[in-house]
Amino acid sequence: GENVEQHPSTLSVQEGDSAVIKCTYSDSASNYFPWYKQELGKRPQLIIDIRSNVGEKKDQRIAVTLNKTAKHFSLHITETQPEDSAVYFCAAPGFQGGKLIFGQGTELSVKP
Amino acid sequence: DGGITQSPKYLFRKEGQNVTLSCEQNLNHDAMYWYRQDPGQGLRLIYYSQIVNDFQKGDIAEGYSVSREKKESFPLTVTSAQKNPTAFYLCAAGQGSSGGSPLHFGNGTRLTVT
Repeated sequence: GENVEQHPSTLSVQEGDSAVIKCTYSDSASNYFPWYKQELGKRPQLIIDIRSNVGEKKDQRIAVTLNKTAKHFSLHITETQPEDSAVYFCAAPGFQGGKLIFGQGTELSVKP
Repeated sequence: DGGITQSPKYLFRKEGQNVTLSCEQNLNHDAMYWYRQDPGQGLRLIYYSQIVNDFQKGDIAEGYSVSREKKESFPLTVTSAQKNPTAFYLCAAGQGSSGGSPLHFGNGTRLTVT
């Protein structure tokens, strides 16, 4: 069935270190891969997304890479700061489109 | 932060009662979605609608119902048949109907059933 697997479920890093979160998806026809950040008690907000016609996209300290052959994509955060602490979700379209399926989430903690 | 309005923010109900969660959008987006969020389980899709007067079941539709009579509105009813209704409910809207565009979320409704 359609599924998006996300790892790790929790991640703790020191301020200034890098953080990497990985997701795998099952539908080889998927062509859109967003990442959302959810701070405690708030709604998820889009931080970066990538489409299947590119392999990497960067926005300041955030980057996303896509490997279509292996059906996985990753979020990379460099020079982490305490305000990066949040839950991060990846997502991919479900079979037959029309919806986004989310991963289980990664709770990132950046320690000063 | 406009766009998607969910009300109320907190809702308390007794077991056995139906309850309706409101979701309104002013983004003119075609697609609307309801997700349920439980600790450690991410966002699970309940129902979604790609166009007015049409909607589809998501992964956990049992015990829920929706309607889409207007483009701006997508209310969710949690019925007494839902075995574990206490959760955080998020409504979202997207510009496209293919699952290939960003979703904009509301601030959520936290439902507690006792």
